Order: sequence, then structure tokens, then C-alpha cells
Amino acid sequence: EAEVAQSPRYKITEKSQAVAFWCDPISGHATLYWYRQILGQGPELLVQFQDESVVDDSQLPKDRFSAERLKGVDSTLKIQPAELGDSAMYLCASSHFWTGKTEAFFGQGTRLTVV
Amino acid sequence: DQQVKQNSPSLSVQEGRISILNCDYTNSMFDYFLWYKKYPAEGPTFLISISSIKDKNEDGRFTVFLNKSAKHLSLHIVPSQPGDSAVYFCAASADGSGNTGKLIFGQGTTLQVKP
Repeated sequence: EAEVAQSPRYKITEKSQAVAFWCDPISGHATLYWYRQILGQGPELLVQFQDESVVDDSQLPKDRFSAERLKGVDSTLKIQPAELGDSAMYLCASSHFWTGKTEAFFGQGTRLTVV
Repeated sequence: DQQVKQNSPSLSVQEGRISILNCDYTNSMFDYFLWYKKYPAEGPTFLISISSIKDKNEDGRFTVFLNKSAKHLSLHIVPSQPGDSAVYFCAASADGSGNTGKLIFGQGTTLQVKP
């Protein structure tokens, strides 16, 4: 069964350092999402790609976060510099269509701890 | 502004009985609704969905009901099994002009099924 691949699974970093997460969506999925989930809350969208284009980054803290999907396949989310409040689960998801009438499939996530 | 709300943080039921998880939404533009199940340290797994043109969708032990006039949906699990113990997230999306189809999640309900 096809899966969304994410790495690393866990990351511990010191505040003010840079950190990066990688995601490889299910083959053929044009839409890719990065979500952040803080413990006890639901996932919140950070950025959404349609192929290589950003279609929604309204909730992305652009002073420290960046995301790219250069060839419209895999994607990287970067935080620089990391802050204590960035500790969370970072989830990547992909879907076949961006019409909204289809489920998104999630990867296992990257658990980030900033110390 | 919490557009999707799950007002019960936790629910405990006996094995074999029915579990009912509730979700309310405020945005009348939402036209597709999903339920995801999440185990600790893993990404959410898609469970079941429903389009706004329907009021019920069933898949095995899982049934989702949608009441558009009340802006309310619920997930019924019958019979409940200990393996169903997880966090359940309700999510919604909107299609059409100006919408990107992104999923908006509720805060989650932790279900515990006791043997």
C-alpha cells in the first residue's frame, strides 16, 4: 500500500538552530500539505502545494518558516531559527485532487522538540 | 475562530457497546467532512467521509451522520472494540471558488474502549 514518507521521525534541536523536515507524497498525488499539531489540539495547516505552486500559506510564519516543492514531488519544510514554541508534531499529507472532496493521506509525522 | 469543534475531549465506553463522537462546525461553505483516527506518535489515518449531499455514510462498524441544518456530524462505532481506542479528529473542507480544499480539523476526542 502506498504511503506518505516523512523523515526524520524524531528531531531534537536547540533553539535558534535550523531544522528541516522532508516529505515524499504518494506517487501521483498533486496536492501536498504540511500540518502542525500541538499536543491536545487538532492539526493546523501551514502550507498547501498544488504541484510545485503554493496555494495556501496564510498560516505559515514566514519570518522563520519556509517550504518548497521544487519539482512538484517531494517537499522540504524548514525552520530557522527554531523557537521553543515550535515543539510539535509536523505532519505531511497528500491527496490526489485539490477539489476538497477527497481524503488526504498522512505520513507518520516528525516529532520536533526544541530545547 | 474555531470553525470545527469537538466539544468532548474524551469518551469512555465498554467493549461491544456503541461509541458516538460528535462534531460541530460553523462554516456553511463546508461541503465535505471526514473522520480520522490517530494513535500516539503516528499520523492520522483516514476513517470515513461524507459529502454534504448525503446525510449518512456507512462502512462496516463505522457510520457517519450529517445534519446540515444543525451544522453537526457524528461518528458511530458499533460494536466498539479495544483497538478502537485512539484520538478521533473530525475535519471539514470547502470546494468552489476561493477555496483550496484544505482540511480544517477539530481538537480531537480521545476514545477509550474498556474490555
